[in-house]
Amino acid sequence: QVQLVQSGAEVKKPGASVKVSCKASGYTFTSYYMHWVRQAPGQGLEWMGIINPSAGDTSYAQKFQGRVTMTRDTSARTVYMDLSSLRAEDTATYYCATDLHEFSSSSPGNWGQGTLVTVSS
Amino acid sequence: DIQMTQSPSSLSASVGDRVTITCRASQSIVSYLNWYQQKPGKAPKLLISAASSLQSGVPSRFSGSGSGTDFTLTISSLQPEDFATYHCQQSYSTPLTFGGGTKVEIK
Repeated sequence: QVQLVQSGAEVKKPGASVKVSCKASGYTFTSYYMHWVRQAPGQGLEWMGIINPSAGDTSYAQKFQGRVTMTRDTSARTVYMDLSSLRAEDTATYYCATDLHEFSSSSPGNWGQGTLVTVSS
Repeated sequence: DIQMTQSPSSLSASVGDRVTITCRASQSIVSYLNWYQQKPGKAPKLLISAASSLQSGVPSRFSGSGSGTDFTLTISSLQPEDFATYHCQQSYSTPLTFGGGTKVEIK
């Protein structure tokens, strides 16, 4: 079965960067695009972007353009989300999620457990 | 960007009640609408895709309907394990966008 295991919680200072990993198992890694979605404490869900694990191409929400980088290591079956110039408003739980369908980019289907990133001086 | 508006933002209901949550899109999204359930401290779980397609393993008391701009999630007989927050999400175009969520609480 699909399993996504994310890296552990992080505490960062304003202005720093954070890199969250998401290790996949139980499916053909290169066939399912990976979304990143975040959720600030007590708030709704916010889509950050998506990566095609096969070709490595990405699409980011405009809000995060210039600050977010999504990459993958196919041999390790792992995708990464790097967010720079952190500010307090970036405090949130960050989720990776595979798309529901192969070679599709519309529906986060299977989700990781989430990684809490806290930005505080 | 397509704006998604859910209502109500919260509701109180009893076990056995019929519950309806609505989601409205700022433009037509045809039937490109997903529903998620999220329990405290947990990741969202996909319940329904393409407005009305129940995911495998999801109880049949959950159903979705609608097209264009107006959509509905219905729980026909609320069970104790259904107390959670429900989110809609448009899958019509990027950036993907979510509604603000509806928290279903115990009356």
